[in-house]
Amino acid sequence: DAKTTQPPSMDCAEGRAANLPCNHSTISGNEYVYWYRQIHSQGPQYIIHGLKNNETNEMASLIITEDRKSSTLILPHATLRDTAVYYCIVRVGVGGSQGNLIFGKGTKLSVKP
Amino acid sequence: DVKVTQSSRYLVKRTGEKVFLECVQDMDHENMFWYRQDPGLGLRLIYFSYDVKMKEKGDIPEGYSVSREKKERFSLILESASTNQTSMYLCASSLKATGYTFGSGTRLTVV
Repeated sequence: DAKTTQPPSMDCAEGRAANLPCNHSTISGNEYVYWYRQIHSQGPQYIIHGLKNNETNEMASLIITEDRKSSTLILPHATLRDTAVYYCIVRVGVGGSQGNLIFGKGTKLSVKP
Repeated sequence: DVKVTQSSRYLVKRTGEKVFLECVQDMDHENMFWYRQDPGLGLRLIYFSYDVKMKEKGDIPEGYSVSREKKERFSLILESASTNQTSMYLCASSLKATGYTFGSGTRLTVV
């Protein structure tokens, strides 16, 4: 199973872009990269996922390197409400099922005024 | 929006009790999951299910069982609660290859 490596913490100024890196050098060709975040005392919230191409939605952008060994989650204009732990996850397939997610320790993003 | 509802936000039970944690989702998702979250250990998968009456063990199934009699409901059962099962329990559901939707969690304290 591919594992991910993320910095334990990052700071970002309010209104600036937050760029959260993730290394997944052992990722397999059919594994997706998922990003979640968890605000204190709440369940994790899905942000975005991708396979090869860069992806963008209303919450964030996901940039995946060409060799797929790393990715960056971009929050274009961070707000105080984006303060959370951000998890980068590589989805594991389990037999014929749809697989499950293995959460690491994530990156604690602190957005400061 | 998909909603995943966990029946209790906070629960206190005694050692040895049988405990049921209920989870219901309203968007016809095939897959449902139970995780527990502990400080310093992150989220760990207990059990998951990809169809009615189907279940698979996750990373830490010992001391737990599950039931999925209907597609929308996935129950986690602590057969005989112990203090080391004090934790935050999170339920999630998903469709194929899409993001998971988590419930708000149940903080269980076993005394």
